Amino acid sequence: LAKTTQPISMDSYEGQEVNITCSHNNIATNDYITWYQQFPSQGPRFIIQGYKTKVTNEVASLFIPADRKSSTLSLPRVSLSDTAVYYCLVISYNTDKLIFGTGTRLQVFP
Amino acid sequence: GAVVSQHPSWVICKSGTSVKIECRSLDFQATTMFWYRQFPKQSLMLMATSNEGSKATYEQGVEKDKFLINHASLTLSTLTVTSAHPEDSSFYICSVKPRDRGSDTQYFGPGTRLTVL
Repeated sequence: LAKTTQPISMDSYEGQEVNITCSHNNIATNDYITWYQQFPSQGPRFIIQGYKTKVTNEVASLFIPADRKSSTLSLPRVSLSDTAVYYCLVISYNTDKLIFGTGTRLQVFP
Repeated sequence: GAVVSQHPSWVICKSGTSVKIECRSLDFQATTMFWYRQFPKQSLMLMATSNEGSKATYEQGVEKDKFLINHASLTLSTLTVTSAHPEDSSFYICSVKPRDRGSDTQYFGPGTRLTVL
């Protein structure tokens, strides 16, 4: 299972765009990238998933370069309610196991 | 998305007692269910994987006789913490993988806070 590395914490202000980068140098051909958000005392919530290039949904965008050794979660115009821990996971199509890293603790200030 | 519930949301028990936590998928059938444990300020740690119709597969270091998992149906999995001790106090979270869906996304329950006195 590919190991991921992401910043421990990030700070931002309301209305700004936040980009959280995750490194996954050992990603395999069949692996895809998934991001989850977790608030205190809640289960993780699925945000976005992608394999390559760019994926966008109503809450975020995911940018994956051609070599797929990293990915960037982009949160447009964050608000205070986006304060949470964001986990980047690399998932193999052949296994259901999710290995959570340390995550990135995002703090949004007014 | 998908809706996953857990019951109870929190529980306090005395040391030595057993506690059962339920995980239900409310709007789909789940081929596979997972149980995680999360200590304060730490990440989620996978405890075990439960597949429909078969025994759970436990991760290294997780005692199967202490953490009993029963995948009772395609919509229900239970985790029983037997003879709980204070060190078992943690946040227990289940996740499910929907059956017959195009995505491999897993969906998480809201978690159960266990406090053992």
